[in-house]
Amino acid sequence: DAGITQSPRHKVTETGTPVTLRCHQTENHRYMYWYRQDPGHGLRLIHYSYGVKDTDKGEVSDGYSVSRSKTEDFLLTLESATSSQTSVYFCAIGPQPRTGELFFGEGSRLTVL
Amino acid sequence: QQQVKQSPQSLIVQKGGISIINCAYENTAFDYFPWYQQFPGKGPALLIAIRPDVSEKKEGRFTISFNKSAKQFSLHIMDSQPGDSATYFCAASGGLNTNAGKSTFGDGTTLTVKP
Repeated sequence: DAGITQSPRHKVTETGTPVTLRCHQTENHRYMYWYRQDPGHGLRLIHYSYGVKDTDKGEVSDGYSVSRSKTEDFLLTLESATSSQTSVYFCAIGPQPRTGELFFGEGSRLTVL
Repeated sequence: QQQVKQSPQSLIVQKGGISIINCAYENTAFDYFPWYQQFPGKGPALLIAIRPDVSEKKEGRFTISFNKSAKQFSLHIMDSQPGDSATYFCAASGGLNTNAGKSTFGDGTTLTVKP
C-alpha cells in the first residue's frame, strides 16, 4: 500500500467552525490531490499541489484552501464549515507513469452539523 | 460540466455472471483510462487501466474495452463473485505534461453479486 495517512479519520463539527484535514505521505511524490466523495457525484477534485508551496484549484474549490509547506504534508482547510461540506474527503498521490493511477488514502469523514 | 459519464448507477448480477459497466468521456486530452474499485470504508484502488492507443486490455477476470472514435470504454467482469461486490469508478487521467496528472471520475457503479 502507498504510504498515505489521513487525519482525522472522522470528525463532527458545527457550522461556522474551521476545520483542517491533514494528508501525510511517505512516498516522496511531487503531486498530491484532495478529492471529495458524495453519493451520486463520484470523486470531485478540490485542490491539488505540484510541489512545495505550489497549489492550484480543482473543480469544487469554493470554501476550501490548501497549503503544502513540506513535500510529505498537504493540508485542506475549511475556514468556516457549512453543512454542504459534509462529505468524505480523500487525499491522493501520483500519478503512476504508465497507468495514470492515483494512490488514495483511506478517507476522512467530515460531518458538519 | 461532467467530462466522464458512467452507467449504470447500480448493478445486480448473479454469481458467475458477467458484470458490464460503461463510461463515456467528452474531452480528448486524456492519456489514461483507469478503473478503480472501492470497498466500504476504504479509498479507491486501481483495478485495471488502459491507454487510448489500445482497444482492449485483460487482466484475469477483468477486461477493459476501449472505443476511441466513440469516446467510450467499458469494464467487463467475467465470472462475477460475491467478493467483487463494491463500487467501481471509471476515470480519465491526464498526463503530467498536459493536465498535472489530474483524474476526472465517473459517478460510480455499485455492484452487488448475489450468491
